[in-house]
Order: sequence, then C-alpha cells, then structure tokens
Amino acid sequence: EVQLVESGGGLVKPGGSLRLSCAASGFPFSDAWMSWVRQAPGKGLEWVARIKSKIDDGTTDYAAPVKARFTISRDDSKNTLYLQMNSLKNEDTAVYYCTATKYCSGGFCNAHNWGQGTLVTVSS
Amino acid sequence: SYELTQPSSVSVSPGQTARITCSGDVLTKKYARWFQQKPGRAPVLVIYKDNERPSGIPERFSGSSSGTTVTLTISGAQVEDEADYYCYSATDNSVVFGGGTKLTVL
Repeated sequence: EVQLVESGGGLVKPGGSLRLSCAASGFPFSDAWMSWVRQAPGKGLEWVARIKSKIDDGTTDYAAPVKARFTISRDDSKNTLYLQMNSLKNEDTAVYYCTATKYCSGGFCNAHNWGQGTLVTVSS
Repeated sequence: SYELTQPSSVSVSPGQTARITCSGDVLTKKYARWFQQKPGRAPVLVIYKDNERPSGIPERFSGSSSGTTVTLTISGAQVEDEADYYCYSATDNSVVFGGGTKLTVL
C-alpha cells in the first residue's frame, strides 16, 4: 500500500523558516517525481515545487510565489522528500501535501498519490 | 506560465449528468488529469491521460478532450459525488491546477 506521511508543519512567525518532510513507502520512491502542493484555507490547490527522479536528471521546478524562498530536495536512501521554507509570509499559510507520480507499480504507470497533508500557519 | 480555467460551481440533481470543463492552451500539448476532493480529505485521482480511469473509480466518471478544453463527465451523478473537482496538467518545467469546481448534487 502506498503511503505518504507529511510532518514538520506548525505555527511560525512571518520571516521565519520551517522544514517539511514526507516519508514514503509502498512504491519505488527513487523512480517517482515528487511534488509539494498546498491549499490555503477555503481555497483551491496550488502547486508549489517538483523534483524529478535522479534517472530523469533530478531537476527541480518552483511556482513563482515561492521561487528563491523554498527548496525541494529528496533523499532516496531514506525514501523521504523535503521542503525547506524560508522567509515565510502570511500568505504561505496552507495545508501542504506531498504527491508522487511518474513511477510504475504492478504494470500501472499513471498513479498520482497524495499524503494527508500538514498544516503550516504563518502568523505573528 | 500556463493557466487552467474551470467554472466555480456546477449543480445537478441525483441521476443527472454533470459536466465540468477545464480550458487552457497547455491542453493542446499535454494530457489532463482530474482530481476529486471531499471536505477534509486529500484529493483522489479520477481521470488521467484526458480520458482514462484508474482502477477503483466508478464507470460513471469519464473524460474527453477537444482542442484547448477537457471535460469531466459524471453520468448519473450520485449524492456521494458531491465534491470539489480540479483539473491538472504538467509540462517539463511546471505544473498547473485549475481553480476548482464545486459540484453540488441535490
């Protein structure tokens, strides 16, 4: 069974930093393209960042609102995805979801799995 | 960057057909996916590659594509289909979600 478990959320002051983690299991993590997606209270889904698998060159991409403030990374030896968030703003308040795509399991190569999310609140 | 546009809300009675559209230039180049999200829950994939249905998703969910628009169709919508629906597409260097459509079935 695929599992994505986010952790590291909490309350932080504007200008502060936070590091989110996502522990993955049940699928070939090193093959997967991993993303962070956030959802502000009462709002829609917003893509934040993506990191490709190392075999697909491991490049990272960011949404404009977080570029230069957030850093996505992965540790394939630990099956874990990270999001380092710096210079946090009130508008970064959201539930942050970890997602996994682009891997094959049981002959199916179009899965798109989500964790349950972790809440980040930026407030003074 | 690309954008995907969805209607903010769609309403149908139980047993009717619900159609939710999603428009954007990226859809002429890349496939779309559709996600269903119920309150307090993580999104769930219901359609991939414009019109393919993952195992476990009811047959009443289907997708289609024409030019810059993709459509999610729920044939014979049921009360439990009431949820927010998001379209999604991805390129080599970005990912985009539609703004979401609230489907009401009552």
